[in-house]
Amino acid sequence: DAGVTQSPTHLIKTRGQQVTLRCSPKSGHDTVSWYQQALGQGPQFIFQYYEEEERQRGNFPDRFSGHQFPNYSSELNVNALLLGDSALYLCASSAGGFLNTEAFFGQGTRLTVV
Amino acid sequence: AQSVTQLDSQVPVFEEAPVELRCNYSSSVSVYLFWYVQYPNQGLQLLLKYLSGSTLVKGINGFEAEFNKSQTSFHLRKPSVHISDTAEYFCAVSDYGGATNKLIFGTGTLLAVQP
Repeated sequence: DAGVTQSPTHLIKTRGQQVTLRCSPKSGHDTVSWYQQALGQGPQFIFQYYEEEERQRGNFPDRFSGHQFPNYSSELNVNALLLGDSALYLCASSAGGFLNTEAFFGQGTRLTVV
Repeated sequence: AQSVTQLDSQVPVFEEAPVELRCNYSSSVSVYLFWYVQYPNQGLQLLLKYLSGSTLVKGINGFEAEFNKSQTSFHLRKPSVHISDTAEYFCAVSDYGGATNKLIFGTGTLLAVQP
């Protein structure tokens, strides 16, 4: 059973560029959340997708946007990249909509903005 | 608003010694509590969770945690650590019955096990 898979694993972008990160949830999961983990910090909630809609959003600017597809996979898009966007981006999947008993995390995508 | 405090940024300990990693939370509603472990260049792995019931929760790799509602704490313990336990440990909280299962994380504690 494949767990949560993220691609790519590493990415280097230039300031001002746009980036798309991808996530496939664990089999049977229908909810995807995205987190940003800056160096030396705990993960910070970006947003969550359920039934192809953004259900809740953390304190991140509109430059951060997402999408969930009918197969429950998800994308995170970041526009107009800033140096401060350099971080590990984690995708977490869970099941059951409003239930919140456990989230499974992927290995993350390390984004470096230069 | 919910928050999680992990007071110890780093905990050095010798192999086979016991360890406690501290976690305190604040919330105006009932919560679920979690401990995750992150090995270098890896994602997060769930160690254990408290949802309800017994306040002593046992997890993987010999770890356990105790939920103390009056102290608003959820400290993680292991009676005897191994070199392989060296990793970053994150405590997290989420709303009980909330609209999402958004996790609020602490800043992490680096457990450094020395031979």
